[in-house]
Amino acid sequence: EILVTQSPGTLSSSPGERATLSCRASQDVSSTYVAWYQQRPGQAPRLLIYSASSRAPGIPDRFSGSGSGTDFNLTISRLEPEDFAVYYCQHSRAFGQGTKVDIK
Amino acid sequence: EVQLAESGGGLVQPGGSLRLSCEASGFTFSVYSMNWVRQVPGKGLEWISYISSSGATTYYADSVKGRFTISRDNAKNSVHLQMNTLRDEDTAVYYCTRGIVGRGDYWGQGTLVAVSS
Repeated sequence: EILVTQSPGTLSSSPGERATLSCRASQDVSSTYVAWYQQRPGQAPRLLIYSASSRAPGIPDRFSGSGSGTDFNLTISRLEPEDFAVYYCQHSRAFGQGTKVDIK
Repeated sequence: EVQLAESGGGLVQPGGSLRLSCEASGFTFSVYSMNWVRQVPGKGLEWISYISSSGATTYYADSVKGRFTISRDNAKNSVHLQMNTLRDEDTAVYYCTRGIVGRGDYWGQGTLVAVSS
């Protein structure tokens, strides 16, 4: 069973700053099945990135994904007010525990 | 516009059953695989079940295997989750999602299942 671990648990940042979220799988995985989601309070998750680095339709280009093997990243180049939310990494059936991005 | 609408949640006693439904619209339902994902309020996401586009292939998380059954009706653009022998720890918001496991590109708004005596 592949485990997915996200870090940090909470990232405190300011609007306009760059944010990098990490996701680590317990063994080498195929990038095809790595996705990132955003969940705002009271809302369903929204797909941001699939196949580790492909942006989903309608997602702003300030969101980017990278990585391979066991280590993957989600980068938000310049945080907008609406980006303060919880972000989940997924590989296949396993989700990470989430990273909360909050306002410093 | 792609839409997924879950229904069927509610309060049920431990050991009881519920059947969740997800009605899809805005896309050709019969060519997409579907999943159910749940979330305990305030906690993280847990994938629980997958069904292929034809319904021929299904997968389950160990936590629900043998108790939950996923099915679909392509004529009615719907996917279902039959939940039996419910436990306290099944209390969660249940989401249906479109796509392969590892890529839920659309999600419904969820339906709350509360298991309590």
